[in-house]
Amino acid sequence: GDSVTQMEGPVTLSEEAFLTINCTYTATGYPSLFWYVQYPGEGLQLLLKATKADDKGSNKGFEATYRKETTSFHLEKGSVQVSDSAVYFCALGDSGSARQLTFGSGTQLTVLP
Amino acid sequence: GAGVSQTPSNKVTEKGKYVELRCDPISGHTALYWYRQSLGQGPEFLIYFQGTGAADDSGLPNDRFFAVRPEGSVSTLKIQRTERGDSAVYLCASSYPGLAGKDTQYFGPGTRLTVL
Repeated sequence: GDSVTQMEGPVTLSEEAFLTINCTYTATGYPSLFWYVQYPGEGLQLLLKATKADDKGSNKGFEATYRKETTSFHLEKGSVQVSDSAVYFCALGDSGSARQLTFGSGTQLTVLP
Repeated sequence: GAGVSQTPSNKVTEKGKYVELRCDPISGHTALYWYRQSLGQGPEFLIYFQGTGAADDSGLPNDRFFAVRPEGSVSTLKIQRTERGDSAVYLCASSYPGLAGKDTQYFGPGTRLTVL
């Protein structure tokens, strides 16, 4: 079945540092890929998505590129801020009849001033 | 506009009791999903509705769990004979479905269920 493997946390960075959170997946067909973010005390929010190979999703300075050859969708940001502190989830949307998302286990990011 | 809402935000119950969790999706969204998130884990799929019918209930863990969406809008997740292992945050999401797997799901704030 489909699965998502996400870099384990927690990750602690200083403000303005470069961020990479690794995400790899296993799926049949041509899935869509998502990054969701959960800020403290809030619900899951879509951060960005990519629906086909080589697509780049971007939002709020975050980027991720759908790499079919390496089955990866790594999240990057060039300069993190304290306000980016949150839990980040990589997720896969199956392209078959199933519509549910399959999530990774999440990566806790803490950015220190 | 209004997002997905869930009530109650917190529910504490005793082992063996029956609970109902409610989800009010974004207006116009025909697809509705329930997920369960245990501490330190990502959400796990429970059930998917398209309109009034359950299109996929393969994630329901056992027959103590079932969900309804009688008018194609609000949904209720019902858990009978609750067990301590049912303690988790129950998330609801809705979407306006396009191609399978590509539509964006919008999540509610969740209901934290604690079974004592």
